[in-house]
Amino acid sequence: AQKITQTQPGMFVQEKEAVTLDCTYDTSDQSYGLFWYKQPSSGEMIFLIYQGSYDEQNATEGRYSLNFQKARKSANLVISASQLGDSAMYFCAMREGPSSHSGGGADGLTFGKGTHLIIQP
Amino acid sequence: EADIYQTPRYLVIGTGKKITLECSQTMGHDKMYWYQQDPGMELHLIHYSYGVNSTEKGDLSSESTVSRIRTEHFPLTLESARPSHTSQYLCASRGSEAFFGQGTRLTVV
Repeated sequence: AQKITQTQPGMFVQEKEAVTLDCTYDTSDQSYGLFWYKQPSSGEMIFLIYQGSYDEQNATEGRYSLNFQKARKSANLVISASQLGDSAMYFCAMREGPSSHSGGGADGLTFGKGTHLIIQP
Repeated sequence: EADIYQTPRYLVIGTGKKITLECSQTMGHDKMYWYQQDPGMELHLIHYSYGVNSTEKGDLSSESTVSRIRTEHFPLTLESARPSHTSQYLCASRGSEAFFGQGTRLTVV
């Protein structure tokens, strides 16, 4: 079963509109972290925002906010007032387990398949 | 701003050649990772390290190897490149957040 599901392969949004990118996750761990990355056509992965499973407040970073609904296991990214430069692939990712190394297993990030966001003028 | 660097950014090389992709970070992170990403697809973990002299294989099987002799340096080596190795390779290091290098786009012809 997929651990990270992004159901929107592509989205077209008008400039200045808000956009929500969906992400649902699957884990049995109580402690985990959720990440969003932006990948422009140049290929680098740009960290946008992080939400820990025990964080009570939704994470916000400038125009980015994470709508964290723990019971529904969703971590949607909201971009307010979209700009042309927001056009890129967006990946949701999860780290399972506590942030410290507990021994055994890869605690790297598991990524979703991504959403290709295109902002139209 | 993240201090993690990958070289080269782009590499086109012939079949059978040995190549090493470099990754360095100056954040003092113990944990480092290599991901492979085909165009338009998700990232797959191929190698990771928890510190000096620690290396492990990731979720996706890869013919590449890695080494971790110094904390800041985590190179990936392909002994004999093949066209099936054509992909983008992304290095990451992690404290509480994970930061990525700019990636190496490898093309084997």
